[in-house]
Amino acid sequence: NAGVTQTPKFRVLKTGQSMTLLCAQDMNHEYMYWYRQDPGMGLRLIHYSVGEGTTAKGEVPDGYNVSRLKKQNFLLGLESAAPSQTSVYFCASSRDSSYNEQFFGPGTRLTVL
Amino acid sequence: LAKTTQPISMDSYEGQEVNITCSHNNIATNDYITWYQQFPSQGPRFIIQGYKTKVTNEVASLFIPADRKSSTLSLPRVSLSDTAVYYCLVGERTGGSYIPTFGRGTSLIVHP
Repeated sequence: NAGVTQTPKFRVLKTGQSMTLLCAQDMNHEYMYWYRQDPGMGLRLIHYSVGEGTTAKGEVPDGYNVSRLKKQNFLLGLESAAPSQTSVYFCASSRDSSYNEQFFGPGTRLTVL
Repeated sequence: LAKTTQPISMDSYEGQEVNITCSHNNIATNDYITWYQQFPSQGPRFIIQGYKTKVTNEVASLFIPADRKSSTLSLPRVSLSDTAVYYCLVGERTGGSYIPTFGRGTSLIVHP
């Protein structure tokens, strides 16, 4: 099993460009999450999903959109990137509740110039 | 949602036991306590979870007093590879849409 995978691993964008980060899990988990982590900070939840076709806002949702069309995939979109969105993005999944063990992907390092 | 408080950083030496305490004064009856470990440039990794008393696995022990207002993660005989950030989370384990809050965690540095 690959666990949780993220695509791409690195990306550099110019201000105003758009992009989509893909997260995939092969553990048949119901819950999936997108976090961002900035230097010296903990992880902050952007959006999450409790099942296929559902999404919900986390702590810092502004400037991001998400979709969960298939149970195994969770997409994070930036419609118009800003330098403040420069960060490392982590995707995670868990079997059910948010407080059951979360499995994390390797992260995507995004730089917005 | 129970708020947690942890020390920002800790230092230790190889071979010592390290105890990291997390304070969660307003923990709810159904809340569990979960600890994660994060190495640089990696996503966090689940270490241990408990509800009360003591839980032990191959990596760590988790001590929870009767009032459950705090918990202590114990790492026996640390090595340099235990240098990482450790996060304490508190929340209900069954269903719900609670937003997990990782906070800044405790940065543990193990010295030779």
